[in-house]
Amino acid sequence: GQQLNQSPQSMFIQEGEDVSMNCTSSSIFNTWLWYKQDPGEGPVLLIALYKAGELTSNGRLTAQFGITRKDSFLNISASIPSDVGIYFCAGPRGSGNTGKLIFGQGTTLQVKP
Amino acid sequence: ETGVTQSPTHLIKTRGQQVTLRCSSQSGHNTVSWYQQALGQGPQFIFQYYREEENGRGNFPPRFSGLQFPNYSSELNVNALELDDSALYLCASSLPGTEKLFFGSGTQLSVL
Repeated sequence: GQQLNQSPQSMFIQEGEDVSMNCTSSSIFNTWLWYKQDPGEGPVLLIALYKAGELTSNGRLTAQFGITRKDSFLNISASIPSDVGIYFCAGPRGSGNTGKLIFGQGTTLQVKP
Repeated sequence: ETGVTQSPTHLIKTRGQQVTLRCSSQSGHNTVSWYQQALGQGPQFIFQYYREEENGRGNFPPRFSGLQFPNYSSELNVNALELDDSALYLCASSLPGTEKLFFGSGTQLSVL
């Protein structure tokens, strides 16, 4: 079945450093979504990607929809302490589904001031 | 515009009991989805409600059931609780035709 694999599982970086994480699948996805979850909260949508090769930014965050449609990447530039949290990639279950997502297992980011 | 709200925030039950979790969707959103998030894992899709009908279900047994009301709010019911049901239960609302979900803060359920 569909499955999303995120790497790395966790990262511990210095404030000001850039961060890269990725998400891969054995299946093709037509939409890629990146969410961030803070402790005790639900996930919050950061970026949505709809087209292979698409590169989209949201402030210091940049995400790319892989050309093969089987992967996606998220970059954070000049990290700050509030970037701490768990980052999830997600994609639609099956084809044509809406709001029914598969999530990766997450990348935990810790930022040292 | 109000966001997605869930109640209660925390709940402790014993094995075999039944539980009801509640969710109010974001203003104007008529689609509600429920997810289960075990510790250290990503959310897993339980089911979705649209126009008061179940509109898709993930790999969860029938003892997980739900309702949606005319005001788009929703309930998740779990019968015969098992220890493995301990998790964060997330409700998300959305508009039809979009993958963009807006999540509540969740209900943390502990089954002892």
